[in-house]
Amino acid sequence: AQSVTQPDIHITVSEGASLELRCNYSYGATPYLFWYVQSPGQGLQLLLKYFSGDTLVQGIKGFEAEFKRSQSSFNLRKPSVHWSDAAEYFCATGSYQLTFGKGTKLSVIP
Amino acid sequence: EAGVAQSPRYKIIEKRQSVAFWCNPISGHATLYWYQQILGQGPKLLIQFQNNGVVDDSQLPKDRFSAERLKGVDSTLKIQPAKLEDSAVYLCASSLDHSTDTQYFGPGTRLTVL
Repeated sequence: AQSVTQPDIHITVSEGASLELRCNYSYGATPYLFWYVQSPGQGLQLLLKYFSGDTLVQGIKGFEAEFKRSQSSFNLRKPSVHWSDAAEYFCATGSYQLTFGKGTKLSVIP
Repeated sequence: EAGVAQSPRYKIIEKRQSVAFWCNPISGHATLYWYQQILGQGPKLLIQFQNNGVVDDSQLPKDRFSAERLKGVDSTLKIQPAKLEDSAVYLCASSLDHSTDTQYFGPGTRLTVL
């Protein structure tokens, strides 16, 4: 069965610092991979997705993610974090149905 | 373009009571999903509709949960009777089709069962 693992429950970074959130997937074939963000009291918003092709994917709000088959990873990155990026981030996999990781909560220190 | 609408936003009930949640997807979206998100977890799919037909309800606890999507637009998710472990946020999402289209999520309904 397909699954994703987000090893970090909570990450704190300073505003302006770079960010990398980890995601590892388990799937036999080329997976469909997604990153969603959830702000407090809000639904989930899609940041970016990978289906095939270029392994570096650009998303909204300045985020990008890189698909690395050799490491079974799809890590999310941002070069400079803003205070408004504080939220919970979910990695997900699937085509017909999404399977989500448990999420990583991001705190940003002003 | 209006997003996915859900109501109510918050609900508090006693265990063994019944509760219903409503979802209005984005206009023209054929596929509708209900997810359960327990505190500290990622969302878990409960049921998926394609128009007014059920595509997958394998993770829906059918002894107490039911859902319908009459006319292929709005949907209602019901819990009867509720248990303490049903306390969660219930998210509705919709997409154009059931393949790899982006899912758009509503704000969710936070249910507390006392």
